[in-house]
Amino acid sequence: ETGVTQTPRHLVMGMTNKKSLKCEQHLGHNAMYWYKQSAKKPLELMFVYNFKEQTENNSVPSRFSPECPNSSHLFLHLHTLQPEDSALYLCASSQAGRDHYEQYFGPGTRLTVT
Amino acid sequence: GNSVTQMEGPVTLSEEAFLTINCTYTATGYPSLFWYVQYPGEGLQLLLKATKADDKGSNKGFEATYRKETTSFHLEKGSVQVSDSAVYFCALSDPLYSGSARQLTFGSGTQLTVLP
Repeated sequence: ETGVTQTPRHLVMGMTNKKSLKCEQHLGHNAMYWYKQSAKKPLELMFVYNFKEQTENNSVPSRFSPECPNSSHLFLHLHTLQPEDSALYLCASSQAGRDHYEQYFGPGTRLTVT
Repeated sequence: GNSVTQMEGPVTLSEEAFLTINCTYTATGYPSLFWYVQYPGEGLQLLLKATKADDKGSNKGFEATYRKETTSFHLEKGSVQVSDSAVYFCALSDPLYSGSARQLTFGSGTQLTVLP
């Protein structure tokens, strides 16, 4: 595996379900990010982890719960979601402390809440 | 705060036409600037970047020049192909978070469709 991988690629869940999204980066980076991409809206940064520590939580509802057990893995735990949470969830990684700070993205998980 | 403004799409061009997608930004310091591309059903891919004034980023025939005096980073390509059809995002890195994970500020994206 290379780059940033995300599983599953597609997920359909009911509002009472609990599910988790997984992200893994194979780039040796130490920072990871969750973004939400909805139709007709700008990309929204949800969470930032730097050296496994959460450094940003951009007013995300508590029904989204991130977990970063190590610098290569990032999870997004989902529970009691709403239909408006349907979106493409993108994971990204970067090397914090290095110049330029470009982020590398995974292919995303297309989430549909029914 | 920081912000990125892109020209609204969608943009539709014929193959071999010249492409310009405008991007302007506001930032308190000296950010790095990026163009990302998102093909249908995929995540964002870094297309090119520029880290200081007058730098020109280039990749796959695309170019953009970091213009500090006009706070712009317009994307150009001399001859587009059908395979360039995608959504293009302009972004800047927050210059205030030195030495730690920086946030990227993205524009709203511009949909490009190239017709054969």
